[in-house]
Amino acid sequence: GAGVSQSPSNKVTEKGKDVELRCDPISGHTALYWYRQSLGQGLEFLIYFQGNSAPDKSGLPSDRFSAERTGGSVSTLTIQRTQQEDSAVYLCASSLAAGVYNEQFFGPGTRLTVL
Amino acid sequence: AQSVTQPDIHITVSEGASLELRCNYSYGATPYLFWYVQSPGQGLQLLLKYFSGDTLVQGIKGFEAEFKRSQSSFNLRKPSVHWSDAAEYFCAVSEQGQGFSFIFGKGTRLLVKP
Repeated sequence: GAGVSQSPSNKVTEKGKDVELRCDPISGHTALYWYRQSLGQGLEFLIYFQGNSAPDKSGLPSDRFSAERTGGSVSTLTIQRTQQEDSAVYLCASSLAAGVYNEQFFGPGTRLTVL
Repeated sequence: AQSVTQPDIHITVSEGASLELRCNYSYGATPYLFWYVQSPGQGLQLLLKYFSGDTLVQGIKGFEAEFKRSQSSFNLRKPSVHWSDAAEYFCAVSEQGQGFSFIFGKGTRLLVKP
C-alpha cells in the first residue's frame, strides 16, 4: 500500500510569511508524528497525534508553530511568520497507534527554505 | 532528561570490512532503543530495536546491535559492509509513561570505500 506522503516536497518562502506543510499518513494508522531535521542538529521530535488529539505540544519550538489533525488522517504543520532558523527538513511519520511498540513509518519530508 | 550521543559524525570503512557505530544514551529507567538508517533521497527506515530480553538484537540488512546497560550503550554492528550501506545512521531512545517522546542522536554518516 501507499506509504506516508508529504507535500510539498520543497518549499521556499520569504522571511515573515506563513507556511503550511501537509502529511498524509498510511491508511489505518491512528498515530502521527512530526519531526524537524536541521543541519547539525539531527532529528528533533516536535509533536505527535493519537487520533485528532495532541497530548503534548511542548516539543513545538515556539508559539509560531502549530499543528492540527482532522478526521484522524491528514495533518498540517503551520509555521507563522517564518524565520531563517526555521529552514530545515520537516519529517512526518505514522504508526498503527502511538507508543514505542508500534513502528513509525516515515515520509520523504518537506524541505523548507526561508530566505 | 534523556539524551542520545553518537560520538562519530563521519565514519569511513572499506567495502567488506566490519562496522561498528557507537551510541550512548542517558536515561534513568530501562530505555527503548532504536537504530534508523536514512539513505540519500529516502526516508528513515527502522533497522532494529531493543525493548527487553536478549541484549543482542538482530535487524534488517544484516545489522545487529548490543545493549550494554553498564556502559549505557547500544552500538550497531555489521560484519561485512556493502557499498549500498553508505547512508546516515541514527540512534534513538524513547520512553513511554505519562507521555511519549522520541529522542534521536545527531547521526553518523557512513562512507564506504571500494
